[in-house]
Amino acid sequence: KAGVTQTPRYLIKTRGQQVTLSCSPISGHRSVSWYQQTPGQGLQFLFEYFSETQRNKGNFPGRFSGRQFSNSRSEMNVSTLELGDSALYLCASSLGLAGGGVKAEQFFGPGTRLTVL
Amino acid sequence: AQSVSQHNHHVILSEAASLELGCNYSYGGTVNLFWYVQYPGQHLQLLLKYFSGDPLVKGIKGFEAEFIKSKFSFNLRKPSVQWSDTAEYFCAVNPGGYQKVTFGTGTKLQVIP
Repeated sequence: KAGVTQTPRYLIKTRGQQVTLSCSPISGHRSVSWYQQTPGQGLQFLFEYFSETQRNKGNFPGRFSGRQFSNSRSEMNVSTLELGDSALYLCASSLGLAGGGVKAEQFFGPGTRLTVL
Repeated sequence: AQSVSQHNHHVILSEAASLELGCNYSYGGTVNLFWYVQYPGQHLQLLLKYFSGDPLVKGIKGFEAEFIKSKFSFNLRKPSVQWSDTAEYFCAVNPGGYQKVTFGTGTKLQVIP
């Protein structure tokens, strides 16, 4: 079974631009979560989608948004990029929602490395 | 708000030394607990997990963790580390009730041959 895939793997943008990242979950997984990973901060939760609906949201500004499609694939968008948005963005998929016991076990993709100049 | 603390940010050990990485969380209710590992250049992979039952959990590559509810802790252990264990380790807590997963800030382990 194929794992979680994320595209693109690397991205370089300039301040003020916007970016869209894509995540394809493991087949059959309905939940997709997004995290921002930076050195010293660990993984910061962005949001979780399940059945095309945002179910949980982290403490990020409104410039960060996402969506999920009917095939469970998800996209994350960051508008008006800032230097501090440079990070590794990770996507994780699971059978069920976080907090839902065994079905909540998350499987991570390789991430998209975003550099904002 | 729930939080997860990993007290050791950077640990350096010689091969064959024993390892214990601390993880404490602040949530008081039912929790699911995880340890993930991120090897250099690779993506996060699950080492072990606790949902319920025996508080001593065994994972892959000889790792184990003990859930001590009274101490809100889920420490990771390995009796004898190898150079290949050099990686960053993350503790994660997921309360029940469909709440989000919270990760610790990670511990970088460097094993010297």
